[in-house]
Amino acid sequence: DAKTTQPPSMDCAEGRAANLPCNHSTISGNEYVYWYRQIHSQGPQYIIHGLKNNETNEMASLIITEDRKSSTLILPHATLRDTAVYYCIVRSANRGVQGAQKLVFGQGTRLTINP
Amino acid sequence: SAVISQKPSRDICQRGTSLTIQCQVDSQVTMMFWYRQQPGQSLTLIATANQGSEATYESGFVIDKFPISRPNLTFSTLTVSNMSPEDSSIYLCSASTGGDTQYFGPGTRLTVL
Repeated sequence: DAKTTQPPSMDCAEGRAANLPCNHSTISGNEYVYWYRQIHSQGPQYIIHGLKNNETNEMASLIITEDRKSSTLILPHATLRDTAVYYCIVRSANRGVQGAQKLVFGQGTRLTINP
Repeated sequence: SAVISQKPSRDICQRGTSLTIQCQVDSQVTMMFWYRQQPGQSLTLIATANQGSEATYESGFVIDKFPISRPNLTFSTLTVSNMSPEDSSIYLCSASTGGDTQYFGPGTRLTVL
């Protein structure tokens, strides 16, 4: 079962920041938080991941709370092309453990960007 | 990163037949994965394809139904055997380069009549 909880849907106005929350209260110390998105009829697209510190790349920012029990993905200036299902996934950082690298997808958040 | 392609992109098959899906990566990767996405649902991992050893299947998936090959570090196939309409799904492969990130292919949309 997925170890994360996300709202099933969210709306955001074009040009605004989209803030997508994720709860992962049972996360352990050696588990990453990953974010992917899936635009309709396409394969999932990697967005960002983090362990403890906040992370930023050209697509988004990831804010992880100090206790690591929740995180927020921020799309700073949402466009219509950001409409997609966003998945928050917790995954072990220990590559040596059998099955550690597999991703367990929950239902995600369906983000709709409105003009 | 890794660029992943899949063939075919879509197919319509008759009940009882088999279909082999190919997954090609543009660089050598350590691990490859096969997922299924049923209509309106999230992704479910079928198996992990290991180069030089047998695939590791998740609960509910068996080798006789979903045989997998991994002949080298850039290529894998998934066969959906003895298909029924319940096998209609999108099948996706992904690959990990040994770093911490998996990249996904575009998927194969399968319809079984």
